[in-house]
Amino acid sequence: EPEVTQTPSHQVTQMGQEVILRCVPISNHLYFYWYRQILGQKVEFLVSFYNNEISEKSEIFDDQFSVERPDGSNFTLKIRSTKLEDSAMYFCASSETVEAFFGQGTRLTVV
Amino acid sequence: AQSVTQPDIHITVSEGASLELRCNYSYGATPYLFWYVQSPGQGLQLLLKYFSGDTLVQGIKGFEAEFKRSQSSFNLRKPSVHWSDAAEYFCAVSTSGTYKYIFGTGTRLKVLA
Repeated sequence: EPEVTQTPSHQVTQMGQEVILRCVPISNHLYFYWYRQILGQKVEFLVSFYNNEISEKSEIFDDQFSVERPDGSNFTLKIRSTKLEDSAMYFCASSETVEAFFGQGTRLTVV
Repeated sequence: AQSVTQPDIHITVSEGASLELRCNYSYGATPYLFWYVQSPGQGLQLLLKYFSGDTLVQGIKGFEAEFKRSQSSFNLRKPSVHWSDAAEYFCAVSTSGTYKYIFGTGTRLKVLA
């Protein structure tokens, strides 16, 4: 069964560093998403991406964040100048239409 | 704005007892509704979904949910809980357009042996 793959599963980075979280969506999907879950909290929408551009973003998704689909298969989330409060689980998802399929997440720890 | 409310932060039930987790949503049109389960440190596993049609939907692991438009609810039920059901449960609504998901705050289920 096709699945969304995220790498790495864990990432530890120093405050102020840039990180790139990577995702391989399901191949025929058209919509791509990033969500964030701070430890013990709910899953929050960050950004959706369609037709090679951002279709919607939340208030969380400020200039510190960017997304890219550098080739036909990868979908990345870049966080510039990481802060302690960026520590969270980041989920990538993709969909054809309504039903999204989630990856297993990348746990980002900023120290 | 769309929102999802899960009124119960924690629920404790005995193994073998029945379970109902509440979910209310606020959305102008007919929503697409989902329930996910998450074990500690793990990803999101889809339990069931409602798009249209029969308002009682069956999912995996013996779970079911009922969509009630008049109450804006999509409550999750299980007739007999197993110790392995202990986890966090999230209700979510997907909106038309960008299809982004809005999640509730989750209900943490504890199962007593």
